[in-house]
Amino acid sequence: DSGVTQTPKHLITATGQRVTLRCSPRSGDLSVYWYQQSLDQGLQFLIQYYNGEERAKGNILERFSAQQFPDLHSELNLSSLELGDSALYFCASSGGQSNQPQHFGDGTRLSIL
Amino acid sequence: AQKVTQAQTEISVVEKEDVTLDCVYETRDTTYYLFWYKQPPSGELVFLIRRNSFDEQNEISGRYSWNFQKSTSSFNFTITASQVVDSAVYFCALSDLSGNTPLVFGKGTRLSVIA
Repeated sequence: DSGVTQTPKHLITATGQRVTLRCSPRSGDLSVYWYQQSLDQGLQFLIQYYNGEERAKGNILERFSAQQFPDLHSELNLSSLELGDSALYFCASSGGQSNQPQHFGDGTRLSIL
Repeated sequence: AQKVTQAQTEISVVEKEDVTLDCVYETRDTTYYLFWYKQPPSGELVFLIRRNSFDEQNEISGRYSWNFQKSTSSFNFTITASQVVDSAVYFCALSDLSGNTPLVFGKGTRLSVIA
């Protein structure tokens, strides 16, 4: 158990819809990262938050947004969904006092029909 | 820019064989971390090892060993006496030394161990 919790595990929706993925980091971790794993693009970094503030941005589409709340959980919002958004979305956390490596949640598998 | 290359897309071995997964990286940083993660068929990403660029000593953990060579920018992973449970996709990754920045992943190597 990595200590990082992601919900839901699976999400099936239709094109044009909007979904929210949720992540609770490990206790003590201040950074949350979102990654997308698709068949053709591999594991790609989307966005990082550190203690509530956006810290780094990767290949995140404008239709996607994220935030980190005061209790440090994070949400990734995906809107105007397209078939190509079907992927496994991972959350990871790090940045606690002990400088531990990033540990990943089990992922949310998003399927767009 | 940082880049990680895992040239082997898929490897298939027979159980009990040794197998080495290659990882070559590029970075302009003089200090950095290297990682290996395992993704079994169930889909989760499991942390295996982190090595900082200061430490070029090889590391062994049970049947797993890692060979870090800064001169060739490589961080290879060997599984000795492979088992069916080792079947997974293995990812090599790179980050800076702050421990608080995104990982740059290779494309992964799919290892199939056949009984």
